[in-house]
Amino acid sequence: GDSVTQMEGPVTLSEEAFLTINCTYTATGYPSLFWYVQYPGEGLQLLLKATKADDKGSNKGFEATYRKETTSFHLEKGSVQVSDSAVYFCALRVRGGGADGLTFGKGTHLIIQP
Amino acid sequence: NAGVTQTPKFQVLKTGQSMTLQCAQDMNHNSMYWYRQDPGMGLRLIYYSASEGTTDKGEVPNGYNVSRLNKREFSLRLESAAPSQTSVYFCASSEAVGETQYFGPGTRLLVL
Repeated sequence: GDSVTQMEGPVTLSEEAFLTINCTYTATGYPSLFWYVQYPGEGLQLLLKATKADDKGSNKGFEATYRKETTSFHLEKGSVQVSDSAVYFCALRVRGGGADGLTFGKGTHLIIQP
Repeated sequence: NAGVTQTPKFQVLKTGQSMTLQCAQDMNHNSMYWYRQDPGMGLRLIYYSASEGTTDKGEVPNGYNVSRLNKREFSLRLESAAPSQTSVYFCASSEAVGETQYFGPGTRLLVL
């Protein structure tokens, strides 16, 4: 079946540090890939997405590139802020898959210290 | 434009009690979903509705039923709650199958 593996954390960084959260996947078909962010007490918000190999999704200074050869979609940001503290979920959806839902990783808790 | 709304925000049940979680969206989306979120497990799909009048099982449907009441509303029912159903429940919607999903704020359920 489809699955997503990501580092679980918590990941603790200082403000202005460089961020990488690793995400790798296995999929039965050709997936679309997503990063969602969940701030404390809130629902999930779409951060960025990519629908085909070599696409780069970007938003709010975050980037991730769809790497089919390494089945990865790592999230990066050059300089994090305290306001980026949240839980980040990598997810995939296989086009034409049976159940039309997202397959999520377990989430990475990111803590940014001033 | 409220997006996806869920009620209640928090609920405590005793084992064997029943309840219905409500979800509504005002984005005129065709597809709606119910997920549960457990610590260390990420989110898992319970049921979804690709369009009004259809519902299908997801990864973890046992112990739940759903109703797509109309295009806006998609409810999740627990007929006889069990402690294993203690979780945070999220509703989501998308314009169509395969499009970006938008999530509600969640319902935190505790079953004693």
